Amino acid sequence: AQKVTQAQTEISVVEKEDVTLDCVYETRDTTYYLFWYKQPPSGELVFLIRRNSFDEQNEISGRYSWNFQKSTSSFNFTITASQVVDSAVYFCALSEARQAGTALIFGKGTTLSVSS
Amino acid sequence: DAGITQSPRYKITETGRQVTLMCHQTWSHSYMFWYRQDLGHGLRLIYYSAAADITDKGEVPDGYVVSRSKTENFPLTLESATRSQTSVYFCASRAGGNTDTQYFGPGTRLTVL
Repeated sequence: AQKVTQAQTEISVVEKEDVTLDCVYETRDTTYYLFWYKQPPSGELVFLIRRNSFDEQNEISGRYSWNFQKSTSSFNFTITASQVVDSAVYFCALSEARQAGTALIFGKGTTLSVSS
Repeated sequence: DAGITQSPRYKITETGRQVTLMCHQTWSHSYMFWYRQDLGHGLRLIYYSAAADITDKGEVPDGYVVSRSKTENFPLTLESATRSQTSVYFCASRAGGNTDTQYFGPGTRLTVL
């Protein structure tokens, strides 16, 4: 069965520190999609990135970077030089291609607190 | 404004009452979803819809009813609210299959007294 594990429940860092949020997934499908969402204190869910299982290239977007490793079933998210505005709950999610119409399977989220 | 909206944003009701949460999207997305978010459980799927008049159960459907007579609307009804249904409810939509991204509404915070 599909599953997403975010083992870090809470992380606290000081501004300008780098921080990595871990995500490990389980799936039997060979074609699947991985996502990261951010939920700031205001409560909305903001899409950050989507990655398909055939694309293992790392992605960088400003201070954000993602490391996808199929060998370890991980899709980790790194924030470089963290800022207070990065404080949020971050969710990793999985979608399997073979099950048309299925929703996302979410991890339980990692709460990131960045202090000044 | 384009996008996905939910109403009301906040609702307080009493046990046993019927409550309907509204979801509206302007993208003409085929798929729509309802999730609930609870501490310790993350987000769990309640119901989803692949198109107008096509709905299916998710992980936690008991106590909820959905309908989708129009592509843009996907209301969620709690027929007889219980305290265990106190939660934050998110509606989401997606254009097509699983390759597409789900976009979420702002959420409805429901309290059942």
